[in-house]
Amino acid sequence: KAGVTQTPRYLIKTRGQQVTLSCSPISGHRSVSWYQQTPGQGLQFLFEYFSETQRNKGNFPGRFSGRQFSNSRSEMNVSTLELGDSALYLCASSLGGDRYEQYFGPGTRLTVT
Amino acid sequence: GESVGLHLPTLSVQEGDNSIINCAYSNSASDYFIWYKQESGKGPQFIIDIRSNMDKRQGQRVTVLLNKTVKHLSLQIAATQPGDSAVYFCAVSSEGYNKLIFGAGTRLAVHP
Repeated sequence: KAGVTQTPRYLIKTRGQQVTLSCSPISGHRSVSWYQQTPGQGLQFLFEYFSETQRNKGNFPGRFSGRQFSNSRSEMNVSTLELGDSALYLCASSLGGDRYEQYFGPGTRLTVT
Repeated sequence: GESVGLHLPTLSVQEGDNSIINCAYSNSASDYFIWYKQESGKGPQFIIDIRSNMDKRQGQRVTVLLNKTVKHLSLQIAATQPGDSAVYFCAVSSEGYNKLIFGAGTRLAVHP
């Protein structure tokens, strides 16, 4: 069974631009969560989607948004990029329901210049 | 809010020894705990999980121990191998669904 895939793997953007990252979960998984990983803050939860609905949200500004499609694929968008948004963005999928194990993709490395 | 801490940022062991990585959490309502391994350039890899109704769970060469009294979690790796070298994270869920709070990670270095 294929794992979680994320595209693109690497991205360079300029301050003020916006970016969209994509995540395809493991087949059959209905929950997709997004995390930001930086050396200073570690792994931080952004949001979780289940059946196209956002179920949970972390403490990030409204510039960070996401959505999930009917096939469970998910996208996250960051608008008005700031230098501090440079990070590894990780997507994780799980079967759904209450706290099943989450499987992570390889991440998208975003660099903001 | 919930916070998760690790006792040691780095751990160095000899190949073949047993490794123990520790984690502490703050919220007594936490009820789901996971250990992940992250190798350089990769996403975190699921190792083992445990729910609050258990105090021990074993996998292949790994054991997770949960002490709810002192809010402490540990990961034991038996017969540590060079391939075990990575950063290990504990993660905790206490608000339902799949919102995980991660610790800072312990870098495990295995020496031949």
